[in-house]
Amino acid sequence: ETGVTQSPTHLIKTRGQQVTLRCSSQSGHNTVSWYQQALGQGPQFIFQYYREEENGRGNFPPRFSGLQFPNYSSELNVNALELDDSALYLCASSLATQPTYNEQFFGPGTRLTVL
Amino acid sequence: SQQGEEDPQALSIQEGENATMNCSYKTSINNLQWYRQNSGRGLVHLILIRSNEREKHSGRLRVTLDTSKKSSSLLITASRAADTASYFCATKGQNFVFGPGTRLSVLP
Repeated sequence: ETGVTQSPTHLIKTRGQQVTLRCSSQSGHNTVSWYQQALGQGPQFIFQYYREEENGRGNFPPRFSGLQFPNYSSELNVNALELDDSALYLCASSLATQPTYNEQFFGPGTRLTVL
Repeated sequence: SQQGEEDPQALSIQEGENATMNCSYKTSINNLQWYRQNSGRGLVHLILIRSNEREKHSGRLRVTLDTSKKSSSLLITASRAADTASYFCATKGQNFVFGPGTRLSVLP
């Protein structure tokens, strides 16, 4: 157990809907990253938040957005869901005095299915 | 294309044997990390090696890094059935990039 929790565990949505996924970081961590992992693939970096500011973004469209709260919990929002958004969504927290991406602690993930 | 690429894509060995996985990357990095993932679950950090390090050990794990060849290897010695998982290398450049992984099966 890493101390990083995610909710919900599983989620089924239909195309065009919006979804919010939540992550609670490990205590004391100030950085959270979100990843999308399609079946049989490696995780793809979506974005990272450091002290409530976006601090890096991967090749994902603007309909993927996020928030980090003062208690360092985080949300991933996806608008206008598409079938290809079906994946395991992972959040990872870390502690960085500067955003140098030290060891990341991953949550168990949220399995999103878009029908 | 992805920064990190693991090789082989799949590996099947007998318990007690050593398992070697390789990772190649394309651009300069700050560090390289190896992670393990059991079937569709969260990733577990195994080991981090910084760009100025050449070799690192942790228990049965040995990681090497060759920045001139932009490659790394993960060696798991005396493998166990419980080592069956997918293994990913992840490089830290501007962003954090994972490879597609090596699926290791350790047969009892």
